[in-house]
Amino acid sequence: EAQVTQNPRYLITVTGKKLTVTCSQNMNHEYMSWYRQDPGLGLRQIYYSMNVEVTDKGDVPEGYKVSRKEKRNFPLILESPSPNQTSLYFCASGLVAGTDQPQHFGDGTRLSIL
Amino acid sequence: GESVGLHLPTLSVQEGDNSIINCAYSNSASDYFIWYKQESGKGPQFIIDIRSNMDKRQGQRVTVLLNKTVKHLSLQIAATQPGDSAVYFCAENLYTGGFKTIFGAGTRLFVKA
Repeated sequence: EAQVTQNPRYLITVTGKKLTVTCSQNMNHEYMSWYRQDPGLGLRQIYYSMNVEVTDKGDVPEGYKVSRKEKRNFPLILESPSPNQTSLYFCASGLVAGTDQPQHFGDGTRLSIL
Repeated sequence: GESVGLHLPTLSVQEGDNSIINCAYSNSASDYFIWYKQESGKGPQFIIDIRSNMDKRQGQRVTVLLNKTVKHLSLQIAATQPGDSAVYFCAENLYTGGFKTIFGAGTRLFVKA
């Protein structure tokens, strides 16, 4: 089954404790992206990757890191999480890195930073 | 600026009626628009898309209209069903040195039986 898989689905942690949210897709997609979703704000793009070893900032990259060492994986790293990073996070992938492509989304990771 | 917005945060319709969800965008450089549906506990799911060189595209029970003159996008759902209850997002893709996606805030659709 074609899918985008995120782990963990839920995480409660404390300020300053480094965490990684993994994202994997099995569709051989070039493009991958991370979003956060907050009430009333829709989805905001954090980082995206056009292909392996190519990443770029979205609209809200502060406090986040990503890497794209392999085509299928695109982990999101919070080196020193803070309470304002409490949110619902979505990973997505797209077939090619072009503007005329829809994205396929994972089911989300709910992070709570205390 | 780069923003995508929605006119109504919630929409309530009777089962069997048609639904229209509206969206305004501000970036004239955007060349591709997508509607996504998000059900509770799930990620957004692609519904229909339209390129900027088109003004209408139809799918199964859904139609997207694009008016570039007033920078307006709409999603029409025919014969709305209870399963259509969800949050609907419009999104625009644009090239800014890289390919970015900007989402609107979303509209929640309630379908009354």
